[in-house]
Amino acid sequence: AQSVAQPEDQVNVAEGNPLTVKCTYSVSGNPYLFWYVQYPNRGLQFLLKYITGDNLVKGSYGFEAEFNKSQTSFHLKKPSALVSDSALYFCAALDTGRRALTFGSGTRLQVQP
Amino acid sequence: DAGVIQSPRHEVTEMGQEVTLRCKPISGHDYLFWYRQTMMRGLELLIYFNNNVPIDDSGMPEDRFSAKMPNASFSTLKIQPSEPRDSAVYFCASTSSGATGAFFGQGTRLTVV
Repeated sequence: AQSVAQPEDQVNVAEGNPLTVKCTYSVSGNPYLFWYVQYPNRGLQFLLKYITGDNLVKGSYGFEAEFNKSQTSFHLKKPSALVSDSALYFCAALDTGRRALTFGSGTRLQVQP
Repeated sequence: DAGVIQSPRHEVTEMGQEVTLRCKPISGHDYLFWYRQTMMRGLELLIYFNNNVPIDDSGMPEDRFSAKMPNASFSTLKIQPSEPRDSAVYFCASTSSGATGAFFGQGTRLTVV
């Protein structure tokens, strides 16, 4: 069975500083990895995905993620954080057989002004 | 496209009552998923459909839960009888065979008192 781990419940960063939200995965076969963001009282919004190709994936709102096969990681990054980036972030892996996403536990990002 | 539409957005009901959550997937999508989000267990896949047929319901917690998809544009998740521990946010998501990832609705926040 595949699994996704987000080791940090919360990440605090000052506005303007770079941010990293960590994710590691365990899947059989080639990984299909995703990041979603959830704002309060809202659904999950797609940020970016890795299917194949470049290890650095660029997504919405200036976010990017780095796929590292040897470390089985897919960390979310942004060079300069905004207060409006404060939200709950989920890493997910696609079970290609079931077509369903397995989610990590989520990381709450708090950007302080 | 209006995206995945869920109703109601909020539902408060008394223990023992029947609750029905509704979902309209994105037109043309042939996969539909029901997820449940709680603080304790995060995002869990309950059941998913492909071409209106339930494929995997192993995530459905108990027989009190049932889901149907009578046509390509409508699905329901029913809880009968409801219990306080069913309180959660329930998300519906859809995707298509040729896509990766999924599009989520805004969710239904269920409170059982």
